[in-house]
Amino acid sequence: DAGVIQSPRHEVTEMGQEVTLRCKPISGHDYLFWYRQTMMRGLELLIYFNNNVPIDDSGMPEDRFSAKMPNASFSTLKIQPSEPRDSAVYFCASSRLGTSGSPADYSYEQYFGPGTRLTVT
Amino acid sequence: GQSLEQPSEVTAVEGAIVQINCTYQTSGFYGLSWYQQHDGGAPTFLSYNALDGLEETGRFSSFLSRSDSYGYLLLQELQMKDSASYFCAVRDGNQGGKLIFGQGTELSVKP
Repeated sequence: DAGVIQSPRHEVTEMGQEVTLRCKPISGHDYLFWYRQTMMRGLELLIYFNNNVPIDDSGMPEDRFSAKMPNASFSTLKIQPSEPRDSAVYFCASSRLGTSGSPADYSYEQYFGPGTRLTVT
Repeated sequence: GQSLEQPSEVTAVEGAIVQINCTYQTSGFYGLSWYQQHDGGAPTFLSYNALDGLEETGRFSSFLSRSDSYGYLLLQELQMKDSASYFCAVRDGNQGGKLIFGQGTELSVKP
């Protein structure tokens, strides 16, 4: 398997512009996660999906951020309008169901994509 | 709320053994996991402990004591390629089970 695929790998944009990040999870994984990593705040979970349905978006910073998963093999994270404080590395990750079998139990073994380094000037 | 504490930096020499500690405070504890991240790379899964005790995977071992809310990652026979950041992570029962990562420990392995 190719692993989790993210695009673009680098994005430089001006404040106020719309940014769309893309992710293709590992085939067969039921869960998809979007994380943001900065020096100040570390690695933060923004939102996660189970079987294409958003389960927890409490980590989404504000209404400027939105995420979709139209099918099992594709997800987007959109920032509109972007601001300099959004500059970070954004990771997408996917995982299988956890060992308990409960829908709320995603596996601790998450597979991360290479990330998108976003710079907003 | 929840919190995880781990040292910010650790330095060791090649061939040595190093232990990275993690203490946590969370509700509805589901287990402790460890991830490795090289500079500029993505986090990669190393281990997971749901029950007390030691789990060994090659040169890496992970330990958990639920009564002490404490765990550690043990790296043996250190190699230069082990220089990376190491994160512990727990699921927080009060936040819908979302995975919470510590701030990471930067390990530097010297010749």
